[in-house]
Amino acid sequence: QKEVEQDPGPLSVPEGAIVSLNCTYSNSAFQYFMWYRQYSRKGPELLMYTYSSGNKEDGRFTAQVDKSSKYISLFIRDSQPSDSATYLCAMSDEDNQGGKLIFGQGTELSVKP
Amino acid sequence: GAVVSQHPSWVICKSGTSVKIECRSLDFQATTMFWYRQFPKQSLMLMATSNEGSKATYEQGVEKDKFLINHASLTLSTLTVTSAHPEDSSFYICSARGPGVPYEQYFGPGTRLTVT
Repeated sequence: QKEVEQDPGPLSVPEGAIVSLNCTYSNSAFQYFMWYRQYSRKGPELLMYTYSSGNKEDGRFTAQVDKSSKYISLFIRDSQPSDSATYLCAMSDEDNQGGKLIFGQGTELSVKP
Repeated sequence: GAVVSQHPSWVICKSGTSVKIECRSLDFQATTMFWYRQFPKQSLMLMATSNEGSKATYEQGVEKDKFLINHASLTLSTLTVTSAHPEDSSFYICSARGPGVPYEQYFGPGTRLTVT
């Protein structure tokens, strides 16, 4: 079993839809949870960062962490064609080796106009 | 802020030659940089962790003598792929730990290496 599981998709939605992206994990020591967006042939871009459980909102993006279920989500409201990209979840624990991140496989999202 | 650059963005080299890729943090000091490799439609695979002024820590299965990493300053780390072969063709991405919380990483734009 991988430490972090993420549905690779691809996921296709119409413009304006609400998108839900999810990751599950097995290591209960994870405390830091990140979502990255990666456009084709580009480096990942940090979207959201959350420490421990709870919700965090930034514009059209909401990140949720449920540590009891070992489940994290990223919601995108009013999705736009420019949101078409691969979304990677990543996580780390406090005692880890200087900030080493464990990544999910990435979900490929396509928003159709 | 928190910009990381990589050079070159794309390189083609002949089998058996060596290629150096540079990673720079442009507006902050990065005590730790990370090197990743990514194959098409796959996630990032961490190759090594690089701390300024010390030897890099390589992940299991990554050949130290093939992928030479040097973190000479707080803003520059280099990855040299020695005696490159076609199977080394990949997308190489570096990241640097940001100035904020310890687990934020900022990624470079990546370098596409093609070995012919």
